[in-house]
Amino acid sequence: AQKITQTQPGMFVQEKEAVTLDCTYDTSDPSYGLFWYKQPSSGEMIFLIYQGSYDQQNATEGRYSLNFQKARKSANLVISASQLGDSAMYFCAMREGQGAQKLVFGQGTRLTINP
Amino acid sequence: DVKVTQSSRYLVKRTGEKVFLECVQDMDHENMFWYRQDPGLGLRLIYFSYDVKMKEKGDIPEGYSVSREKKERFSLILESASTNQTSMYLCASSLNRARNSPLHFGNGTRLTVT
Repeated sequence: AQKITQTQPGMFVQEKEAVTLDCTYDTSDPSYGLFWYKQPSSGEMIFLIYQGSYDQQNATEGRYSLNFQKARKSANLVISASQLGDSAMYFCAMREGQGAQKLVFGQGTRLTINP
Repeated sequence: DVKVTQSSRYLVKRTGEKVFLECVQDMDHENMFWYRQDPGLGLRLIYFSYDVKMKEKGDIPEGYSVSREKKERFSLILESASTNQTSMYLCASSLNRARNSPLHFGNGTRLTVT
């Protein structure tokens, strides 16, 4: 079974609009962490934001915020005031369990910002 | 800033060749990882290492091996390259086992096996 599911293969958004990228996850472990990465066309993976399963508040980093709904097992990335430079692949990932090292990634969503 | 350096950006190899992909990190990170990335499949973990000379299989280890002789260096080895190993290979490192410790990635090596 898929641990991380990103249901939107591609999204097109007008510049300056807000955009929400969906991510649902599957785990029975109460201790886990959720990550979002951005991969521009140049190929490097850029860490954007982190949310822990025990965190009481939704994570925010500049224009990025994470809409964390624990009961629904969803961790959607919200980008406010989108810019042309936000066009990229976005990956959701999870690390589950105490002391675990590896991250499991979703299939990714390709976001295109239109001028 | 953490720097993870992969020795080659592009590689073209022939079927049956032994292939070495090298990765070096400069921040004294405990953990290192090799993923492959294929369209529609996201990133899949091949192997990872949590200490020198230690390694663990990821989700798709078949056809690959790894070596970590020094803390900063993690090598991926394709013993006998096959065309289905044509892919983008991404190396990453993380500081420690903390749940919030993110992975830092290199720029990737695009391997083509003909």
